[in-house]
Amino acid sequence: DVKVTQSSRYLVKRTGEKVFLECVQDMDHENMFWYRQDPGLGLRLIYFSYDVKMKEKGDIPEGYSVSREKKERFSLILESASTNQTSMYLCASSLGTALLLAGGLEQYFGPGTRLTVT
Amino acid sequence: GQQVMQIPQYQHVQEGEDFTTYCNSSTTLSNIQWYKQRPGGHPVFLIQLVKSGEVKKQKRLTFQFGEAKKNSSLHITATQTTDVGTYFCAGPANTDKLIFGTGTRLQVFP
Repeated sequence: DVKVTQSSRYLVKRTGEKVFLECVQDMDHENMFWYRQDPGLGLRLIYFSYDVKMKEKGDIPEGYSVSREKKERFSLILESASTNQTSMYLCASSLGTALLLAGGLEQYFGPGTRLTVT
Repeated sequence: GQQVMQIPQYQHVQEGEDFTTYCNSSTTLSNIQWYKQRPGGHPVFLIQLVKSGEVKKQKRLTFQFGEAKKNSSLHITATQTTDVGTYFCAGPANTDKLIFGTGTRLQVFP
């Protein structure tokens, strides 16, 4: 089974702090994603990466950056945390391109990190 | 930009009643996926539909992909309390990312 792990389930940080959220997958997936989930807003993509050292902005990248130095690890960085970044953060990975019809497209999610910024 | 909408946003049913959630995309999709997120949990992949008009079943769950490949539905027959959660559809954008629907939260009363 694919396993996606995230460094913390719960995190409390102060406004202005630099925050690192870590995600590791053990299935050699090419693609990795960071989402935030807020009530009534569904899953919103922050950044994704389709290869080591490659990244693309999602729908809401402002205030965030990412790092992918190794294939299995994808980090989300909040350079200066703000209260409006209080949210549930979900990491996911997938094997192949979305355009493949034969599968390999499904995303596997980690358990999530609930971040509170005070 | 590409959008995927789901209705209803919430649904409360009595155990044993049927439930349906509908997913509509602003663009034609090459395929569509469905995920379930239990309360306090993370989204878990359920199924992927690829062909126009395709229907797939998983026990009491029936998934359908529209003929125009712009809409999809998930129907649960005779709901059980274990069906509680939020159901998301998702379709591919023009890269390797997915556009997730807004989700339908299902509550089942015993």
